[in-house]
Formats: sequence, structure tokens, C-alpha cells
Amino acid sequence: DSGVTQTPKHLITATGQRVTLRCSPRSGDLSVYWYQQSLDQGLQFLIQYYNGEERAKGNILERFSAQQFPDLHSELNLSSLELGDSALYFCASSVGADGYEQYFGPGTRLTVT
Amino acid sequence: DQQVKQNSPSLSVQEGRISILNCDYTNSMFDYFLWYKKYPAEGPTFLISISSIKDKNEDGRFTVFLNKSAKHLSLHIVPSQPGDSAVYFCAASPRRGSARQLTFGSGTQLTVLP
Repeated sequence: DSGVTQTPKHLITATGQRVTLRCSPRSGDLSVYWYQQSLDQGLQFLIQYYNGEERAKGNILERFSAQQFPDLHSELNLSSLELGDSALYFCASSVGADGYEQYFGPGTRLTVT
Repeated sequence: DQQVKQNSPSLSVQEGRISILNCDYTNSMFDYFLWYKKYPAEGPTFLISISSIKDKNEDGRFTVFLNKSAKHLSLHIVPSQPGDSAVYFCAASPRRGSARQLTFGSGTQLTVLP
């Protein structure tokens, strides 16, 4: 158990819909990272937040957005969903902004039908 | 453009023998490298890392070797155990300001046969 929690574990929704994935980092970690793992792909970095502020941005679509709240939990919002958005979404956390060692949650499996 | 490549999708090794997992990268800005292990239905678990100022880092049965000139790193597991069966991801990170984002390879499924 990494100490990072993600909800829900599974999500099935239809194209065009909007969903919110939630992540709670390990106690004491200030950074949260979001990754997407599509079928047969490695993990793709989406975005990083550090202490409530956006720190780094990767291959995140404009239809996707994230935020980190004062209690340090984070939410990833996915809108206008397409079939290709079906993937595992992982959240990770680290102590500082320098994510030398990131600790991953169990992931949320999103299926868009 | 895959900046981190794991060319072997799978590897089978006999228990007690050495497992060698390989990873190549193309971005010369990468200066920190990590290996993660992933079991089904779980998130990746950090295993071992190496900074570009070193060429070897050891932690118990796990050793990571870095060859900067070849842009190649490898993970050695000795001796391999059935519990090591998992998907292993290689990841690399450049330093951009104070943020680090990890670029992952596509993973290698290691199966250790009893």
C-alpha cells in the first residue's frame, strides 16, 4: 500500500459525458501527478500540482483539467469524453516539487462506451 | 516519438537465475532514471533509481546500470524469485526548473518460473 488513494476504482460512462477522478496523496506529500496509461502504452504524464499550484504540464488534452485543493487532494476532470479516453488513470505523489521518487495510487480504470 | 524504449515486451527466467531488463532513451536531457514494478490491479511501485552522475546503483538483489554514452540502462535482478514476476517500467526525468516529470517506457513483463 503506497498510501495514495484513488476513487473510484472503475468508471463506465458514455461518449460526450464528463467525469471526475479523485486522488488523495500520501500524508505529508505536497506534489500530485496524474498519468494516463492506454492499452499497450507506457504511462503518459499529464500534469503536476505542487501545494495547490500547477507545476508542470505534459500531454494533457484541453478537454482535461485538474486542480489541487487546500487539503492537497486532487481531482482530474475529463469532459466531452471520447472512446479513446478509455484508459487507466494513475495519480502519484511526492514530498517536494522534485518528484525524484513518486508513489503511485492503484489507478482508476475509465471505460468510455 | 518514444523517448524511453523498452524493446522487450516480455522476458521469462528460471528461479534463481539473473533477470536483465533493458531500457534505451533518446533524450540527452534526461538526468535521473528510475525503475518501477507493477503487479496487476495495482499502481507502479518504485524500485530503484540512478542519477546520471553514477553508472551503477545497488539495492539488495536489484542493481541498475547506466551507460550514458549508449543512452542505455539495465536492471539486474539476482537471484530472481517467483514474486518478482510483474511488469517492469523504466522511467526517465529531465530537470525542468524545480519540477520533474517522468517519461515511462512501455514496460517489460517478467515471468520467473519456479
